[in-house]
Amino acid sequence: GAVVSQHPSRVICKSGTSVKIECRSLDFQATTMFWYRQFPKQSLMLMATSNEGSKATYEQGVEKDKFLINHASLTLSTLTVTSAHPEDSSFYICSATGGVGGNQPQHFGDGTRLSIL
Amino acid sequence: AQSVAQPEDQVNVAEGNPLTVKCTYSVSGNPYLFWYVQYPNRGLQFLLKYITGDNLVKGSYGFEAEFNKSQTSFHLKKPSALVSDSALYFCAVRYGGAAGNKLTFGGGTRVLVKP
Repeated sequence: GAVVSQHPSRVICKSGTSVKIECRSLDFQATTMFWYRQFPKQSLMLMATSNEGSKATYEQGVEKDKFLINHASLTLSTLTVTSAHPEDSSFYICSATGGVGGNQPQHFGDGTRLSIL
Repeated sequence: AQSVAQPEDQVNVAEGNPLTVKCTYSVSGNPYLFWYVQYPNRGLQFLLKYITGDNLVKGSYGFEAEFNKSQTSFHLKKPSALVSDSALYFCAVRYGGAAGNKLTFGGGTRVLVKP
C-alpha cells in the first residue's frame, strides 16, 4: 500500500521550456504533498508543501513563480518548472502523506530527473 | 531549530556482518524520527519510524533502530547485512508544529556491502 507515482521519470528539454511533473497517490488520499529537490550526492531539500485545495507553502529561497505547484485533488499534485534553465537541472522528488500530524510517514515517488540543455 | 546529523558519509561492511548507520538529532519537544533508503535514480523508501513507546523499533527488510533519548541518537541497525542493502540511507526528523509534517533530512550515508 501507500504507492506514490511520479511522472515523467526523466525529462530532457531546451532552455526556456516549461516542464510539468505529476505526483499521484495511487491507493490513498494525500492530504499533504511535498516537493523536494536533490542535487548529486546531496540530501533532499524541501521546496514546498502543498495541501489539497489551498496555495502551496514555499520554503525560504524557493521562487514560487518559478516553481508552480498545484494540488487540485487529494490524489494529484503537479510541479511546473517555468522557463527552465540549465541551473534548474536536478532530481525532483515528490512525497505524500495521508494523515494529519507528524506521525505519518511520507511516501515518496521515484523522482524525476530534469536535464535542461 | 531541528537538525539531523549523519556523521559518516559512507559505511563499508562485509556481507553477513552487522550493519550500523549512525544518526543524531536535535529537536525541541518529543522527536518523531524516520529512516529512509534510496536506491540509484529512485525516490525514498520508508524503513521505520519512532514516535513513542519502545525504544527499539523494527522496520522493513530486517532493519531496526534504537531510540536513545539521553544520547539524542537513532542509529539504524541490521544484524546481518546483504549485498542488496547497498544504498543511500537517510535519517529524518519531523517538524512543523502540532499539525506539521515536514521532515528535515540528514546528509545521507552511503552503505556498501561487499560480498
